[in-house]
Amino acid sequence: DQQVKQNSPSLSVQEGRISILNCDYTNSMFDYFLWYKKYPAEGPTFLISISSIKDKNEDGRFTVFLNKSAKHLSLHIVPSQPGDSAVYFCAASLGNFNKFYFGSGTKLNVKP
Amino acid sequence: SQTIHQWPATLVQPVGSPLSLECTVEGTSNPNLYWYRQAAGRGLQLLFYSVGIGQISSEVPQNLSASRPQDRQFILSSKKLLLSDSGFYLCAWSQGASPLHFGNGTRLTVT
Repeated sequence: DQQVKQNSPSLSVQEGRISILNCDYTNSMFDYFLWYKKYPAEGPTFLISISSIKDKNEDGRFTVFLNKSAKHLSLHIVPSQPGDSAVYFCAASLGNFNKFYFGSGTKLNVKP
Repeated sequence: SQTIHQWPATLVQPVGSPLSLECTVEGTSNPNLYWYRQAAGRGLQLLFYSVGIGQISSEVPQNLSASRPQDRQFILSSKKLLLSDSGFYLCAWSQGASPLHFGNGTRLTVT
């Protein structure tokens, strides 16, 4: 049973606009959430994270929002750039940081 | 700084042949080590993780095994590959309250 879900397999956005990637989770014990970006034939690279004690974390063009009551997090990219085109994975971890659970990914295409 | 090396980058193996993928981490000690697999069109599935030498936890029953003979070395093995073992295999490490850091992956095709 998948504990982290990304229900949108793909998203297409115009350059300069906002990209919003969504993620849902089922385990209320998760307390650390991450977003990764992956290009083809490469390993995922860490993008941004958020602790469960926060509801927002911002790093440049990237902002992650956490809604614990809804068990939902989202990644906002503003403004979107063609170089942002990649597969984005959300992940969650329990307090011991020993295991990280990943969603199935959303392929973002930013059109010039 | 810490680096992770994973090899080979690509591998084509016949069904029934053995497998050995190796991963090493530099610049840190006693990291947590992980093997993930990304099957075609699917997400990242955790296969094994290790919190120390000789300590391996398996997440899913399958045709694969993992070993950690040294602190910063993690090996993924199989005695006899199946077609369903094809995929993109990723090694990763973490330490303390840090994110996972991935290697560049191995594309395995079983024919």
